[in-house]
Amino acid sequence: NAGVTQTPKFQVLKTGQSMTLQCAQDMNHEYMSWYRQDPGMGLRLIHYSVGAGITDQGEVPNGYNVSRSTTEDFPLRLLSAAPSQTSVYFCASSPRGMGYEQYFGPGTRLTVT
Amino acid sequence: SQQGEEDPQALSIQEGENATMNCSYKTSINNLQWYRQNSGRGLVHLILIRSNEREKHSGRLRVTLDTSKKSSSLLITASRAADTASYFCATDAGNQFYFGTGTSLTVIP
Repeated sequence: NAGVTQTPKFQVLKTGQSMTLQCAQDMNHEYMSWYRQDPGMGLRLIHYSVGAGITDQGEVPNGYNVSRSTTEDFPLRLLSAAPSQTSVYFCASSPRGMGYEQYFGPGTRLTVT
Repeated sequence: SQQGEEDPQALSIQEGENATMNCSYKTSINNLQWYRQNSGRGLVHLILIRSNEREKHSGRLRVTLDTSKKSSSLLITASRAADTASYFCATDAGNQFYFGTGTSLTVIP
């Protein structure tokens, strides 16, 4: 199993550009989530999904969209990038969410200039 | 924010010593988990303790949970240089996980 994969690993955007961060898992996990990690802030939940076709907002959802058309994929879209979205983004999956460990991808380092 | 906090923010010890880090959180929880993050990498799950458990062991790891104080501690015994990493606690409420701000552990060979 490849586990949780994320692409790209690094990305530089200009303010106002849009892009999609890709996340895929091959463990047939129901729960998937996106976090951002900023220095001194720990990880903050952006959006999560409890299954295909079901998504919900986390702690910091503004400026981001998600969709979950398949069990395997959970892309994160930045609609109009802002410097405040400069961060490291992690995707994670879990068999059933609460009460189960999360498996994390390697992260995407995004810089918005 | 329901985010927890780890204490201390940074910890430096000699190889072979024990390392203790603490986590405090704000709301009632179902479970509490500890994760490790090596520099520049994703998080790796270490241990999960449920709200009705008080202590759990896994290898050199010992986790305690005090729900009355809304706090948990992670003890790493006989530390090794390879234990150098950041450690995070995570609590769950509803369908969301909440991570603490992390403890940066440095183990000096």
